[in-house]
Amino acid sequence: DGGITQSPKYLFRKEGQNVTLSCEQNLNHDAMYWYRQDPGQGLRLIYYSQIVNDFQKGDIAEGYSVSREKKESFPLTVTSAQKNPTAFYLCASRERGSYGYTFGSGTRLTVV
Amino acid sequence: AQSVAQPEDQVNVAEGNPLTVKCTYSVSGNPYLFWYVQYPNRGLQFLLKYITGDNLVKGSYGFEAEFNKSQTSFHLKKPSALVSDSALYFCAVRPEWTRAGNTPLVFGKGTRLSVIA
Repeated sequence: DGGITQSPKYLFRKEGQNVTLSCEQNLNHDAMYWYRQDPGQGLRLIYYSQIVNDFQKGDIAEGYSVSREKKESFPLTVTSAQKNPTAFYLCASRERGSYGYTFGSGTRLTVV
Repeated sequence: AQSVAQPEDQVNVAEGNPLTVKCTYSVSGNPYLFWYVQYPNRGLQFLLKYITGDNLVKGSYGFEAEFNKSQTSFHLKKPSALVSDSALYFCAVRPEWTRAGNTPLVFGKGTRLSVIA
């Protein structure tokens, strides 16, 4: 089955640590996106990538970094510079020429 | 810049009654509009979209939405609500294709629908 896989489902981070969230898709989609979801705030765009080796900042990129070395992979690193990282993180992809997104099941990150 | 407003944080409806979840948008040019649904601790699932054509769009699970350009609205509707429709609903917008390339979807804050048996 084609789809987007996010791992891990739950992640705990200590203060001052960097953590990396995985997003892998086997849909052959060109564009990939990272959104952050907080209660009452909806989804906010962190980073997106339209092609391999290229990505753009979204509305809340500070404290995050990404890479797009392969078409199927778009990992997100939450750095120690992100002051309030506890949230639900969603990865999505879009096929070239299509309109809507396919979403992964999300990763819930908690700072302990 | 585009934006989406979902004016109701919560909508309660009795099972079997019609439901409406409201959405208004702001975008330069013609909009591409979407509705997604989210169940607890899951990703978003696509319900329906408006790109062009008929203002009444039919989607998954009996949902439909009406595009109203003069009111810049795209309300989600269902004639008869089910308890299983209880979830978080998101409206999203992006402008039509531009020379600047593809603009990411902008989402509203979400509306929690609770259908009571």
